[in-house]
Amino acid sequence: AQRVTQPEKLLSVFKGAPVELKCNYSYSGSPELFWYVQYSRQRLQLLLRHISRESIKGFTADLNKGETSFHLKKPFAQEEDSAMYYCALSADSGGSNYKLTFGKGTLLTVNP
Amino acid sequence: DGGITQSPKYLFRKEGQNVTLSCEQNLNHDAMYWYRQDPGQGLRLIYYSQIVNDFQKGDIAEGYSVSREKKESFPLTVTSAQKNPTAFYLCASSDRTGGTYGYTFGSGTRLTVV
Repeated sequence: AQRVTQPEKLLSVFKGAPVELKCNYSYSGSPELFWYVQYSRQRLQLLLRHISRESIKGFTADLNKGETSFHLKKPFAQEEDSAMYYCALSADSGGSNYKLTFGKGTLLTVNP
Repeated sequence: DGGITQSPKYLFRKEGQNVTLSCEQNLNHDAMYWYRQDPGQGLRLIYYSQIVNDFQKGDIAEGYSVSREKKESFPLTVTSAQKNPTAFYLCASSDRTGGTYGYTFGSGTRLTVV
């Protein structure tokens, strides 16, 4: 069975500092990895996915299959980055890859 | 806003009652999902449906039931058998590539047992 671990429940940084939100996964196959973000009083939304290799709002994440990690990074944190971040994994589910397994989330606070 | 709509936003239930949470989408997505969000627990999958008239149990299906009679709708019933129903419930949908391109989420329903 697949599993997603986000070791930090809370992460606090100062504005302008680098930030890294950790995500590790366990899955025997080839996973698809995602980061979702939930800003205060807003719905959960997709931030980025590893398949796209894109940078969204200055965030990047690289899939490291050797370390089974998908850490989210941003070189200079902004106050508006304060939110709950969830790492998620999609694994093959009976021939199709629908189901997402989420980590427990990391609450990021960026202080002025 | 269009996309995926959950109602009501807030719901209060008495002990021993069943309640039904609504989820409707106009994205023409095949798949729909129900998650439960608790502080410190992340999102846990309750049920999901890949196609009309078919659904599968997720990780915490006990005490819940669903139906998928229409592509647009995936209501969740929280039954009296659910021992700890107070939580925030999220509905999501995706097309067939949901596992590759991600989900669209609703704004959630907060259920409180009184």
